[in-house]
Amino acid sequence: DADVTQTPRNRITKTGKRIMLECSQTKGHDRMYWYRQDPGLGLRLIYYSFDVKDINKGEISDGYSVSRQAQAKFSLSLESAIPNQTALYFCATSDPKADRGRLAGSTDTQYFGPGTRLTVL
Amino acid sequence: KNQVEQSPQSLIILEGKNCTLQCNYTVSPFSNLRWYKQDTGRGPVSLTIMTFSENTKSNGRYTATLDADTKQSSLHITASQLSDSASYICVVSGGSQGNLIFGKGTKLSVKP
Repeated sequence: DADVTQTPRNRITKTGKRIMLECSQTKGHDRMYWYRQDPGLGLRLIYYSFDVKDINKGEISDGYSVSRQAQAKFSLSLESAIPNQTALYFCATSDPKADRGRLAGSTDTQYFGPGTRLTVL
Repeated sequence: KNQVEQSPQSLIILEGKNCTLQCNYTVSPFSNLRWYKQDTGRGPVSLTIMTFSENTKSNGRYTATLDADTKQSSLHITASQLSDSASYICVVSGGSQGNLIFGKGTKLSVKP
């Protein structure tokens, strides 16, 4: 979906390097998410943000940090990359019409970006 | 443990044929179940979202069913097209924190 963009699309880095993945959206959605996808595994939630002042850890936040610079921008950082962080990373956005303020029970549709393929050597 | 299991892992069908993909889950408490389509090299795209009270929902040639009692869902694709070739991911929202729990997906290949 062109409304959600991710940069870079591909990145190769070395162990120990700091790397930032960026996500921008033009949908005007409040909620943004970062996921990783590994071969043979389902997508797993790293972090999510309900608005600029709200950041929450997901299932696998260790080794990652995020920054919500504006409603439209949500960045994911790997402070010191390691090989098992090699994966496909997706950003997503959503705009709940109900259940504001909580993730549980939400039925909002998530719109995913095209993904960033990250390789850590 | 909250889990979402999909079957088959992969499937090959001929263009024009129908197919059904299965999803079983053990997520509790249950909130809703979603089906996504993921084309190769792209992000997932939502097909349907069903809550506890809904047992069927359609989106064009895609029809999802939900049996909350047996904790099973299916995605039926009618009159398949080459563009249906993709991975189909079942996602359940629930658990103590309301997270989305993703299945590993079924890879569908539609051949001419």
